[in-house]
Amino acid sequence: KAGVTQTPRYLIKTRGQQVTLSCSPISGHRSVSWYQQTPGQGLQFLFEYFSETQRNKGNFPGRFSGRQFSNSRSEMNVSTLELGDSALYLCASSLKTDAGELFFGEGSRLTVL
Amino acid sequence: GENVEQHPSTLSVQEGDSAVIKCTYSDSASNYFPWYKQELGKRPQLIIDIRSNVGEKKDQRIAVTLNKTAKHFSLHITETQPEDSAVYFCAASSAGANFGNEKLTFGTGTRLTIIP
Repeated sequence: KAGVTQTPRYLIKTRGQQVTLSCSPISGHRSVSWYQQTPGQGLQFLFEYFSETQRNKGNFPGRFSGRQFSNSRSEMNVSTLELGDSALYLCASSLKTDAGELFFGEGSRLTVL
Repeated sequence: GENVEQHPSTLSVQEGDSAVIKCTYSDSASNYFPWYKQELGKRPQLIIDIRSNVGEKKDQRIAVTLNKTAKHFSLHITETQPEDSAVYFCAASSAGANFGNEKLTFGTGTRLTIIP
C-alpha cells in the first residue's frame, strides 16, 4: 500500500512568488492535514480537509490556502511568499473519523530567497 | 485554543538508561494524546498514543502516562538504544464521533540523543 506522497520534495522560490504543493493521501483516507515544520517551532497546524471540506484552520495568514479534490488529493498554496515561509511542509492523512493515527508524507521543503 | 508545552527541548542519556519527556496541555476538553518520533531526515511516525479514559499505556520499552487533573502526560523510554535517537513530539487533540484530526496541536519537540 503506497504511503502519503508529496510533491515537489524540494523547491526554491523568491519573495513575492507563489507556490503550490501537492499531497496524495493513502488510498481510502479521506482526511488530509497540513503542517508547517520549522526548527524550534515544531509542527504548526495549517488546515485539515475531509471530503473536500475544510474542517479547521490554524493561525496562519490568508496567504496560506488549500483545497481537496474528490479523490482526496490535496493542494496547498502560499501566495506572496515571504522569507519566513521557508519551512518543511508536511501533509498527513488519516482513515479514522475520530482522532487517530496520522500518516505523514516526507514533506516539501520550501526555501524562499 | 489548545496550547501544548513540551520539556526538555534536548535530552542526552547513556545507552541503557531511561528517558522521560513531559508535556502539559491547556484545553481540558482534549482527550487524545499521541507521541510521534521523527528520525533525522524522515517523516514523523506515531509510536504510542493514549486516550483520556486511560491513565497509562505500555508498548515494550515505551510507556505513556496521563494525568488529566494536572493536564500533563509523559513519555517514558526504558533501556534506551542508539536507534531511539530522534526528535519526539507530543500532541493533544479534542475528538468526537463526527470529527477527525482537524486540529492536533503539537509540542515543540524534544531532541533525544542516546550516548553509546
